[in-house]
Amino acid sequence: EVQLLESGGGLVQPGGSLRLSCAASGFTFSSCALSWVRQAPGKGLEWVSAISGRGGTTFYADSVKGRFTISRDNSKNTLYLQMNSLRAEDTAVYYCAKAVAAAGADFDYWGQGTLVTVSS
Amino acid sequence: QPVLTQPPSASASLGASVTLTCTLSSGYSGYKVNWFQQRPGKGPRFVMRVGPGGIVGSKGDGIPDRFSVLGSGLNRYLTIKNIQEEDESDYHCGADHGSGSDFVVIFGGGTKLTVL
Repeated sequence: EVQLLESGGGLVQPGGSLRLSCAASGFTFSSCALSWVRQAPGKGLEWVSAISGRGGTTFYADSVKGRFTISRDNSKNTLYLQMNSLRAEDTAVYYCAKAVAAAGADFDYWGQGTLVTVSS
Repeated sequence: QPVLTQPPSASASLGASVTLTCTLSSGYSGYKVNWFQQRPGKGPRFVMRVGPGGIVGSKGDGIPDRFSVLGSGLNRYLTIKNIQEEDESDYHCGADHGSGSDFVVIFGGGTKLTVL
């Protein structure tokens, strides 16, 4: 059974930093691209970042480029999102999503999400 | 990059059928989209993938046969037959675009389905 479990969310002040983690199980971790997708309260889904299966290629939405860094540790089956210079508009539930292949964003499984609140 | 457009809401009576629409912007008729179901307070769940020729690949785990898809022109449809209470959810469509430095993932605004 595929499982994705996000953690690391919480309340942080504007300008602060936070690192999210996504622990994965039930599939060959290094064979699948992964993404972070967020959802602001009452809003739709917004893609944040993606990383290829081996971690050599990363992509970012313009809204987070230069502030967020995606990475993965294939020895620990864990995905990360380092978030710096956080803004109020980054407040959202952050989901990790697994793609069916080593590249791309055809997601077939999602986690339950972790809430990030940016507020003073 | 494509834009995905979804009506914000839809409704159907218990046991009836409903078709949800995701419309690609002009010039992107060859794109496939993924449909996701999101129940209140839960993470999204993959339903199925649809291209211009219909379903691409397999349905998501546990998706009943009542769910089907169709692709036509710029539209990608999700039809739910014999609607049940548990089908009341937000439905999102998404697609990826590009490669290299211009890779992005786009989502429609989502459709909230209410079961009457």
